[in-house]
Amino acid sequence: NAGVTQTPKFQVLKTGQSMTLQCAQDMNHNSMYWYRQDPGMGLRLIYYSASEGTTDKGEVPNGYNVSRLNKREFSLRLESAAPSQTSVYFCASSETGRGWGAIYFGEGSWLTVV
Amino acid sequence: DAKTTQPNSMESNEEEPVHLPCNHSTISGTDYIHWYRQLPSQGPEYVIHGLTSNVNNRMASLAIAEDRKSSTLILHRATLRDAAVYYCILRGSGGGADGLTFGKGTHLIIQP
Repeated sequence: NAGVTQTPKFQVLKTGQSMTLQCAQDMNHNSMYWYRQDPGMGLRLIYYSASEGTTDKGEVPNGYNVSRLNKREFSLRLESAAPSQTSVYFCASSETGRGWGAIYFGEGSWLTVV
Repeated sequence: DAKTTQPNSMESNEEEPVHLPCNHSTISGTDYIHWYRQLPSQGPEYVIHGLTSNVNNRMASLAIAEDRKSSTLILHRATLRDAAVYYCILRGSGGGADGLTFGKGTHLIIQP
């Protein structure tokens, strides 16, 4: 059981380039999330999707777009990367957005923008 | 959102029990108490969660105060692999798919 799978694991971008981080979960979860974590900081929510076909902004959505392609997949796109977007990105999923649902995280994608 | 307060760091010895405290004095009646941990260079890992009653699983135990204003994560026999940052987080039961709001957590150091 793979859980939450993210690709790529490492990426270096030049300022202004675009890229998409892919995420897939095999737990039949309804809710999916994208977080970023800067060095020495806690995780901050970028976007989330309560169910297939819906997406909502989190705490730090500027500079990002998301697509909930189907129930399994939730992608994060950087249209024009900036050095401030250098971070570790985590995808996560949960059976439900309600309090009793545990959230399961992927292993992370390390992104450097130069 | 209701906030939690945790010590910045704690130190324990290998093979001894560890009690990680968390205060959440503004918790609402429908907030679940979640614990996650993050090992170096890894994604956060779900540990345990509960509402009112104490909970046990293969990883840990969660002791919740009767007034729910505090809780304690108990690792019964710490190993070096338990060295991580532990996050105590409240997750509401309202509508929507609100994710978790992470604080700075407790950095647990395990001495051999």
